[in-house]
Amino acid sequence: GENVEQHPSTLSVQEGDSAVIKCTYSDSASNYFPWYKQELGKRPQLIIDIRSNVGEKKDQRIAVTLNKTAKHFSLHITETQPEDSAVYFCAAKGLTGGGNKLTFGTGTQLKVEL
Amino acid sequence: ETGVTQTPRHLVMGMTNKKSLKCEQHLGHNAMYWYKQSAKKPLELMFVYSLEERVENNSVPSRFSPECPNSSHLFLHLHTLQPEDSALYLCASSQGVGDTDTQYFGPGTRLTVL
Repeated sequence: GENVEQHPSTLSVQEGDSAVIKCTYSDSASNYFPWYKQELGKRPQLIIDIRSNVGEKKDQRIAVTLNKTAKHFSLHITETQPEDSAVYFCAAKGLTGGGNKLTFGTGTQLKVEL
Repeated sequence: ETGVTQTPRHLVMGMTNKKSLKCEQHLGHNAMYWYKQSAKKPLELMFVYSLEERVENNSVPSRFSPECPNSSHLFLHLHTLQPEDSALYLCASSQGVGDTDTQYFGPGTRLTVL
C-alpha cells in the first residue's frame, strides 16, 4: 500500500518569510495529491491539490510542486501571515487498493511569528 | 462550513456504554468516509461508503460499526470501546470514489473513553 512521509514535523518562520513542506510517497501509481490545512479545533480544509499530469500549481500565495520521477511533492507558502499558522497535511491517492484510499502524512505544525 | 456536519461535537463515554456518531453531508455527494485522528499520527481511514455500500474496511475492530442508510447520512456505532480509542473522529464526503475526487471534512467528534 501507499506510504506518505512528511517533513518537517514543526516549522517556525517569521512573518513575511516563505515556508516549504515536503512529502514523499511510495506508490508510483498515485496520481492525486491534496494538501489540507487544519487550524486548532477545526476541520481539515483543502487548500490546494495537484494531479499527476502537471508539475506545478499556484493559487495566490500557495503553490505545490510535484516530481513524479522522484515521488515527492512540496507545498510552498510565500509572504507568510499569522493566519497561516496551522497544521498542514499532505496526502496521496492512487489506484492500488481499490483506488479509494487517501493516505495522509503525519502533518507539519507551522507557526508564523510576528 | 456547513457542507458536512457531525454530531455530537464532543462525547465522553465509559467502556461499557453504547453510543453513535452521526454525519450528514449537504453537498450531493455519493461517497462518505470515517477517519480517526490521534495525536502525532496521520489520519487513519476507517471506512468508505459509496452509494450506501461499504467499499473499504481498513481492519477496524468490530467495536466500531458503521451504517450508511442513504448517501447523505453516515453513522458510527460504538460499543465496549477502550481508552486508546479516544481520538477525533472525522467524517468526510466526496462526489465519488474516483482517484481524483476531493474529500471534504466535517468538524469532527472529539471522543473520550474513560
